[in-house]
Amino acid sequence: ETGVTQSPTHLIKTRGQQVTLRCSSQSGHNTVSWYQQALGQGPQFIFQYYREEENGRGNFPPRFSGLQFPNYSSELNVNALELDDSALYLCASSEQGARGYTFGSGTRLTVV
Amino acid sequence: DQQVKQNSPSLSVQEGRISILNCDYTNSMFDYFLWYKKYPAEGPTFLISISSIKDKNEDGRFTVFLNKSAKHLSLHIVPSQPGDSAVYFCAASVSSGTYKYIFGTGTRLKVLA
Repeated sequence: ETGVTQSPTHLIKTRGQQVTLRCSSQSGHNTVSWYQQALGQGPQFIFQYYREEENGRGNFPPRFSGLQFPNYSSELNVNALELDDSALYLCASSEQGARGYTFGSGTRLTVV
Repeated sequence: DQQVKQNSPSLSVQEGRISILNCDYTNSMFDYFLWYKKYPAEGPTFLISISSIKDKNEDGRFTVFLNKSAKHLSLHIVPSQPGDSAVYFCAASVSSGTYKYIFGTGTRLKVLA
């Protein structure tokens, strides 16, 4: 059973650029959630996808968007990057209705 | 507004002793709580959970206690082992179609050999 894999592991972008982060769900999991963890903080919920549709969103601006594909993999896109977007981005998968997530190791994004 | 608070950023405990990690919450609608453990360069891993209909849940060396009237939960690790050294996050959610978790800021536990 493979876990949740995220790519890339590290990324440096310039303010104003756009970035796409990728996530492969754990086998059998059809729900994907994305979290942002800033330094010294706990993860903050960005949004969740189920059956390729957004199924809940946290307090993040529209420049944070996502996709889920038929194989349940997912992308997080961030447009017009700001310095405060520098963080660890965590993807988590679960079965629909399950209470617990399986997290990936995250993508460390640095915006300069 | 921090709905889930972990007021102790760090905790050191001797190997073999009890580790107690605390978490407070403000939203009385929260009805499900989890603890995650995070090692450096890894994602959080699920440790133990508790529903608001219970006040205690035990899994091996790990026990979570929930005090709804005080809006407080705690994680007890007995006995503590050096491999338990990690950052521990508590998280809470409201039952809905989206299980969106609100995380605390974490407590770094160091178990001294």
